[in-house]
Amino acid sequence: GEDVEQSLFLSVREGDSSVINCTYTDSSSTYLYWYKQEPGAGLQLLTYIFSNMDMKQDQRLTVLLNKKDKHLSLRIADTQTGDSAIYFCAEGATPLVFGKGTRLSVIA
Amino acid sequence: NAGVTQTPKFQVLKTGQSMTLQCAQDMNHNSMYWYRQDPGMGLRLIYYSASEGTTDKGEVPNGYNVSRLNKREFSLRLESAAPSQTSVYFCASSEGAGGVPNYGYTFGSGTRLTVV
Repeated sequence: GEDVEQSLFLSVREGDSSVINCTYTDSSSTYLYWYKQEPGAGLQLLTYIFSNMDMKQDQRLTVLLNKKDKHLSLRIADTQTGDSAIYFCAEGATPLVFGKGTRLSVIA
Repeated sequence: NAGVTQTPKFQVLKTGQSMTLQCAQDMNHNSMYWYRQDPGMGLRLIYYSASEGTTDKGEVPNGYNVSRLNKREFSLRLESAAPSQTSVYFCASSEGAGGVPNYGYTFGSGTRLTVV
């Protein structure tokens, strides 16, 4: 079945870049997603990438997709304390399969 | 700009009690989902409804029932609550029919349920 793996924790200093990695198993996924969950809130769609793309950039966010290795990454440039949250990778079509989430801590 | 609305936000139940978690969306989405979130376990799918009138089991359906009341509303019922059902429950919806999410899900803010 489908499976999505992420590291559970990441700690970075304010102003540095953060890179959150994800591996997935379903090569037929049309879209892959990154969601952000702030404390006490639901998940919010952060960005997504179409499976025929290698890279997508959206302001401070860069998504890289390596289909051969089934590897997805999210880079946050100039990480701020407001970026502290749990980040979920998700794949699939019917329905989405989520990773366990990576908790990003930003140290001032 | 309501999106997905869940009620209640917090609930404490005694073991054996029943309750229904309500979810409503105002985006005319076809598909709706119920997930539970537990520490270290990520999000696990309980049930989903690909379209009005259909429901399907997810990864952890035991102890739960669902009703897709209409296109807007999708409720989750715990018939006899157990401590193992203590969790945060999230409802989500997506535009795509057949459970195919076009551009992802919209999530509610969650229901924090404690069963004692």
